[in-house]
Amino acid sequence: DTEVTQTPKHLVMGMTNKKSLKCEQHMGHRAMYWYKQKAKKPPELMFVYSYEKLSINESVPSRFSPECPNSSLLNLHLHALQPEDSALYLCASSQGQRSPYNEQFFGPGTRLTVL
Amino acid sequence: DQQVKQNSPSLSVQEGRISILNCDYTNSMFDYFLWYKKYPAEGPTFLISISSIKDKNEDGRFTVFLNKSAKHLSLHIVPSQPGDSAVYFCAAIHNAGNMLTFGGGTRLMVKP
Repeated sequence: DTEVTQTPKHLVMGMTNKKSLKCEQHMGHRAMYWYKQKAKKPPELMFVYSYEKLSINESVPSRFSPECPNSSLLNLHLHALQPEDSALYLCASSQGQRSPYNEQFFGPGTRLTVL
Repeated sequence: DQQVKQNSPSLSVQEGRISILNCDYTNSMFDYFLWYKKYPAEGPTFLISISSIKDKNEDGRFTVFLNKSAKHLSLHIVPSQPGDSAVYFCAAIHNAGNMLTFGGGTRLMVKP
């Protein structure tokens, strides 16, 4: 299994809603990532988990809350989002954090629309 | 300050010909470089990578060249196929960590 899966594929939510994005990989990777991508822009790193611990938070607002319940799962909890948070949210994983084990494999993304 | 740059936002190539996508970087601490291909509304797909100790890596139709002195890398696709039409991102990793720094992307269009 060489896939990173993400659910849901599409999500529409209001500014007062609470929702969660889910990511799963079964490649035995120990590093997992959340990225945000706006149209015609490269992916922007949000969070990095290494061995189920948060290792990097790129100054992301607290309305985004990551969680890593185990080595295969990564969640992103969303609360009180703004319309400008609408984007494609990508999950990625890599074998480790250091070269040459850090080739990242991406999931298909969740297209989030905040109304 | 953009540390990884892809100066051509788009490239159009005839099917069967060579596609050359370019990428420049400024941080000399980058030691690993990757190319990703991305279709609309999908996640990036890893294509090929190269370590800074090499100057060339080949995988089928895809070859990546690295010129460390010029801080430049390029992706060659030969022969180009219509299915190669996508946005290509160059990415670099700092030798002290694992964060990918992406270039802005180049949209490749391969015409039949």
